[in-house]
Amino acid sequence: ETGVTQSPTHLIKTRGQQVTLRCSSQSGHNTVSWYQQALGQGPQFIFQYYREEENGRGNFPPRFSGLQFPNYSSELNVNALELDDSALYLCASRPTKTTGELFFGEGSRLTVL
Amino acid sequence: DAKTTQPPSMDCAEGRAANLPCNHSTISGNEYVYWYRQIHSQGPQYIIHGLKNNETNEMASLIITEDRKSSTLILPHATLRDTAVYYCIVIGGSSNTGKLIFGQGTTLQVKP
Repeated sequence: ETGVTQSPTHLIKTRGQQVTLRCSSQSGHNTVSWYQQALGQGPQFIFQYYREEENGRGNFPPRFSGLQFPNYSSELNVNALELDDSALYLCASRPTKTTGELFFGEGSRLTVL
Repeated sequence: DAKTTQPPSMDCAEGRAANLPCNHSTISGNEYVYWYRQIHSQGPQYIIHGLKNNETNEMASLIITEDRKSSTLILPHATLRDTAVYYCIVIGGSSNTGKLIFGQGTTLQVKP
């Protein structure tokens, strides 16, 4: 148990729809990052939030957006869903914005039909 | 692109030591080596990290070569629950943003 919780655990959407995934970080962790993991691949960095500001972004289009709230919980929003967005979405929190020790949640499995 | 190279798969007998190698020949002086593992359908789990000295914790040992161009993760007494994908990641340095770059990892199969 890492103390990082994600919801929902599974969801199915159709192409063109929008989705919001939620993450509650471990207590005391002010930095949250999101990763996308396609089947059979390693996780790919989407973006990171530190104290409610985005402070790093991977190679993902603008339709992937996020928020971090004052309690450090976070949301990942994906607009105009495409079939290739089907993946496991992982949230991870860390106590500082640069340490390499991340605490991952169990992920949200998104299927786009 | 990942800065590390790992064998795609390895087998290990239950109760024996599992030695997982990782090459990171372009590592710079202030970059750390981190190891994570991912058991099927779960989020990645931090195992251990090191800079240049060997490290040990309750889960594993990390041996880093003197030139720091490679390392080995050792699970001293592998169990069936250690079956997972193991990722070796290099992170740190002056441009550190905290982003982890995962490669394909090594799939370790522990057999009875």
